Amino acid sequence: KNEVEQSPQNLTAQEGEFITINCSYSVGISALHWLQQHPGGGIVSLFMLSSGKKKHGRLIATINIQEKHSSLHITASHPRDSAVYICAILSISNFGNEKLTFGTGTRLTIIP
Amino acid sequence: ETGVTQSPTHLIKTRGQQVTLRCSSQSGHNTVSWYQQALGQGPQFIFQYYREEENGRGNFPPRFSGLQFPNYSSELNVNALELDDSALYLCASSGWGFTGELFFGEGSRLTVL
Repeated sequence: KNEVEQSPQNLTAQEGEFITINCSYSVGISALHWLQQHPGGGIVSLFMLSSGKKKHGRLIATINIQEKHSSLHITASHPRDSAVYICAILSISNFGNEKLTFGTGTRLTIIP
Repeated sequence: ETGVTQSPTHLIKTRGQQVTLRCSSQSGHNTVSWYQQALGQGPQFIFQYYREEENGRGNFPPRFSGLQFPNYSSELNVNALELDDSALYLCASSGWGFTGELFFGEGSRLTVL
């Protein structure tokens, strides 16, 4: 079982809809990143969370450390939000150093 | 535009060859990390460098090695290339390990024939 699971794997929605992408993890973490990847490969960092909630424009990210779960919400979705959204957890490896473990991503398509 | 540049953007190698990929960090960032992303998969952490020292490594064999230079630019070297090494290789810079915002380059797409 992967340490990081995302759902759904694929999501298609109409423009304007409220979008939720989920990330669950199975180990203790010190932080969680939400990333956006467009076709061609470039990755943009959206949020880094260690507790609570963060908001940036139409994007909101929440994390519940006790439940080992985070969500990324997009309000008033737009076709330009179409991308792959990836969550990544920051934890400590067996060797005592930091490691970043990624989910496989959620492919979001917003239809005009 | 993240200020992180990678080169080359695309390259083709054959099995057994060696490859060097380069990454220039965003100004002021002393931490760089490298990732391998196979088609349709999430990125996999290869290693991280902080102030020219490796300070974290994922589950990759020793033929994956790296360097970070005094100007904080970095190289990823892969020896004895295998077909499964075909992937997008991404680097990211940050001001302090993984607990700061990560700034990714556009990646180097490696094809091994």
